[in-house]
Order: sequence, then C-alpha cells, then structure tokens
Amino acid sequence: EVQLVESGGGLVQPGGSLRLSCAASGFTFSSYWMHWVRQVPGKGLMWVSRINSDGSSTYYADSVKGRFTISRDNAKNTLSLQMNSLRAEDTAVYYCARDWNDGFDYWGQGTLVTVSS
Amino acid sequence: QSALTQPASVSGSPGQSITISCTGTSSDVGSYNLVSWYQHHPGKAPKLIIYEDNKRPSGVSDRFSGSKSGNTASLTISGLQAEDEADYYCCSYSFAGSSSWVFGGGTKLTVL
Repeated sequence: EVQLVESGGGLVQPGGSLRLSCAASGFTFSSYWMHWVRQVPGKGLMWVSRINSDGSSTYYADSVKGRFTISRDNAKNTLSLQMNSLRAEDTAVYYCARDWNDGFDYWGQGTLVTVSS
Repeated sequence: QSALTQPASVSGSPGQSITISCTGTSSDVGSYNLVSWYQHHPGKAPKLIIYEDNKRPSGVSDRFSGSKSGNTASLTISGLQAEDEADYYCCSYSFAGSSSWVFGGGTKLTVL
C-alpha cells in the first residue's frame, strides 16, 4: 500500500525557517517525481514545488522561488522541503504528492505550517 | 501562474448529474492532455479521479468522467450520491513561463 506521511509542521515566526519531511513507503520511491502542494486554510490548492526521480531537476512556484528548497533522499525514501524567510502567507497545510502522468496520484494527509508572531 | 477558473459551488439531488467547468488558457488547459481532477473531503488527503483530461485511475467509479473543449475542461458526476459531497479541484500542467502546475480555485459540491 502506498503511504506518504508528512511531518515537521508547526508554528514559526515570520522570517523563520522550517523543514518538512515526507516519508514514503509501499512503492519504489526512487522511480517517481514528487511534489509539494499546499492549501491555505479555507482556500484552494496551490502547487509549490516538484523534484524529478534522482533529484537533479527541481521547479518552484514563483511565490516560493528563492526561499524554498525541495530535496530527496532515495536511500531513505524521504522527500523534504526546506522553507526559509517564511511569511504569513505561507501559512497552509502542506501535502506531499506522487507524480503520475503529470497529475498527483497519491497524497499524504498533510502537515500544518503556521507563520505568526 | 494564474489559477484556473472554476465555479465556487454546484449542487444536485441524489441520482442527478452535475458538471463542473474549469477554464484556463492555451498555455495550460488548452495544451495537450494534461488536465487532472481531484476530490477532496476536508481533513483527508485529496484523491485523483481523472487524469490526462478523461482517464480514470483504477478503482475510481465510472460515474466520474472528464472532457475538454478548447481551453475549458469539465468534470461530470452522474448518479449523484451523498458521499460525492466534497470539494473538487482541476489542475493542469502549464507551459507558461517555467515548468509549473496550476490548480483551479475549487468547487464545493453539495448533494441536496
């Protein structure tokens, strides 16, 4: 069974940093591109970042470019999102999702990041 | 990276059919077959129900169908059931600017 479990969310002050992790199991993690998608409470989904299967290629939404870094450890089946210079508008539930045919076929339950003083 | 346009809400009675539209541009929805749809019950993980415009993943009910015309994609749910009440999001790969994916604003489906 495919499972994606996010962790690392919490309360952080504006300008602070946080690192999210996503533990993957039930599939060959190293064969799939992976994504981070977020949802501001009460709002819609927004794509954040994508990494290819071996970690050599990454893409970011304009709103997080230069502040967030996606990475992966295929030996540990783990996806990460390093978030720096956090802003109030980054407050959201962050989901990791597996890429499939340019869609997202499996999602985690999400981890809440709250940026507030 | 502008969001795709969806109606904020739709409703229907059990057994009826509803259609949710998703309008983009020639750089996203109108390009290739890269539209996907997601069902999201609040507090749960979103679920892929349509990919590549009109394909259903294994295990997804055939009551869900996708189509596209020009820059507008559509999701139709037939034989509405109470458990279909959820938020629905369209998504497309976008060729505008750098590689990215764009979502619609979401549509709340209410089963009356």
